[in-house]
Amino acid sequence: EPEVTQTPSHQVTQMGQEVILHCVPISNHLYFYWYRQILGQKVEFLVSFYNNEISEKSEIFDDQFSVERPDGSNFTLKIRSTKLEDSAMYFCATTGQSSGANVLTFGAGSRLTVL
Amino acid sequence: AQSVTQLGSHVSVSEGALVLLRCNYSSSVPPYLFWYVQYPNQGLQLLLKYTSAATLVKGINGFEAEFKKSETSFHLTKPSAHMSDAAEYFCAVSDRGGSYIPTFGRGTSLIVHP
Repeated sequence: EPEVTQTPSHQVTQMGQEVILHCVPISNHLYFYWYRQILGQKVEFLVSFYNNEISEKSEIFDDQFSVERPDGSNFTLKIRSTKLEDSAMYFCATTGQSSGANVLTFGAGSRLTVL
Repeated sequence: AQSVTQLGSHVSVSEGALVLLRCNYSSSVPPYLFWYVQYPNQGLQLLLKYTSAATLVKGINGFEAEFKKSETSFHLTKPSAHMSDAAEYFCAVSDRGGSYIPTFGRGTSLIVHP
């Protein structure tokens, strides 16, 4: 069964460092998302991406965050200068169509710990 | 704006007992509703979804959920818990118009005791 692959599974970094989280979407999916979950809190939407540009973003997705699809397969989330409060599980999700009834396929997540 | 509330961050049941995980939603338009499950070290995967056909929706692994508009609820149930049901369960809502971005709850951890 096709799956979404995320790397690394766990990253520990120092505050102020740049972090890049990687996601390999399902090959025929066109819509990509990043969500995050701070421990004990809701799974929060960060950004959606379609046709090589951001289609929606939340208030959380400020100038410290960026996404890109550099090589047509890999979909990355970059945090330029990490803060302690960026510590969370980051989930990549993809889907083939844009519809409220669509089911997202999620990766296993990347746990980011900022010290 | 849409939102989801999952009551109880942890639910503990004995093997063979009824599982009930609660989800209440808020949406300005009739919603789509989902339950996802996350097993350890895996991504979230769909259990079931409500899209306006039958209000009682059956999913995988014996789970089902009932859409109750009057109560704005979409609780997840299973008659008899198995040890393998131990996982994190997430309720999600998305609108039929406007943004299709699903909004998730905080998740409920289901613990199954032998």
